[in-house]
Order: sequence, then C-alpha cells, then structure tokens
Amino acid sequence: AQKVTQAQTEISVVEKEDVTLDCVYETRDTTYYLFWYKQPPSGELVFLIRRNSFDEQNEISGRYSWNFQKSTSSFNFTITASQVVDSAVYFCALSGMEANFGNEKLTFGTGTRLTIIP
Amino acid sequence: DTGVSQNPRHKITKRGQNVTFRCDPISEHNRLYWYRQTLGQGPEFLTYFQNEAQLEKSRLLSDRFSAERPKGSFSTLEIQRTEQGDSAMYLCASSLGHRPLYNEQFFGPGTRLTVL
Repeated sequence: AQKVTQAQTEISVVEKEDVTLDCVYETRDTTYYLFWYKQPPSGELVFLIRRNSFDEQNEISGRYSWNFQKSTSSFNFTITASQVVDSAVYFCALSGMEANFGNEKLTFGTGTRLTIIP
Repeated sequence: DTGVSQNPRHKITKRGQNVTFRCDPISEHNRLYWYRQTLGQGPEFLTYFQNEAQLEKSRLLSDRFSAERPKGSFSTLEIQRTEQGDSAMYLCASSLGHRPLYNEQFFGPGTRLTVL
C-alpha cells in the first residue's frame, strides 16, 4: 500500500515571504515517482514537477524548489518570494512500480491550502 | 492540442437518478484515468484504461459505477442510483504511454456532481 501525508492543512503567509510545503510518503516499491500538483480555485490540476526515486538531486525552477530526501521519505516544496498568484491547494502525489508496466495511477495526499496575503 | 475535456462541468441530480459523464482525452493518448475528489481531500484513483481495455478498478468503484472507453477514444463514467455520498468532483486524466519510464498525466477540468 502507498500513502502520502501532507500534515499542513492550511498555511497563510504575507506576500514575498518564503514558504515550504511538507510531504512525507510511504511505499514498499524500490522504484517510484513523486509529484507536486497545483489546484487553483478553478479546480484544474496543474502539474508542477516529477522526481524519480533514483534521482535525489534537488531541483530549482524559478521561485520554486524541491528537496527530495529518500532517507526521511520526504519531498518538500519551497516557494521563495511568494506572490498572490501562488494561492492555491497544493498536492503531493506518488506513483509506484506499476508505472513501469503501464499503470501510472497516482496516490495523492490531502493537500495544503496556501494563502498568500497581499 | 486542446487538452483533456470533460462534460458536463456541473451536474445536479436527485438521489436515485442515473448520471453519465464524458471525458475526451488528448488526441493519441492511449491511457485514460478516472479519479474522484471529495471536498477537502486529494483525488482518489477509480479506474484506468489502456486503449479500450479497462485494466484496473479501485475498490471505490462499487457495482453502481461503470466506465467504458469504446474504440479507445473518449470515455464515459456512469453512476446508477446515485446517493448523496457520490457528490464529488470527478476528474479524468490521460497520458501517452510510449516511454519505458513514467508518462505524465494531464488532467481535465473535472465534472462536479451534486446529489440532492
């Protein structure tokens, strides 16, 4: 069984502050994939990033950065210099070894609602 | 490429009625997924198609639910004898399964079902 835990239900920060969203996962698969999705008020899930379990390099994309640590089963997401447009619900998700055989179903966490206060 | 589309976007129905939702995946995407998202929760996997074959069904998909993907193109999700607990957002996603490693899923806007 696979599980994704996002312990932070809601976070509010003032614009331009940095904010980190936590994600802890559980899986018995040796190969797996981790994701972050953004869900703005419109409801459509927007893909942000995918990391493979065999690639622990951290990644930075503009104001976004991701810290993947297999030792602690965590995949945290940091937004620097937050903006009002970053307000949304953010989901961490996991896809297991079945993906290598064609079934890429995702297991999602419960999400973190991020509010950026102007 | 117009992305994944879903119709209708909103559906209100009375308990006991049948409803059907449609998903049109991105052209040439051979894999199609259905998820259900209830208020305050993350999406939960319901079922998955590769072309026209339904290869996995979650235990969440009771016998009142049926999904089809005739000819491997669009897909329909039908709920019979709806219950108030079926109220949720139903999300469809598709992917182009041509690579040995992971293929990203692209999500549609969802169909929000309200059962009165």
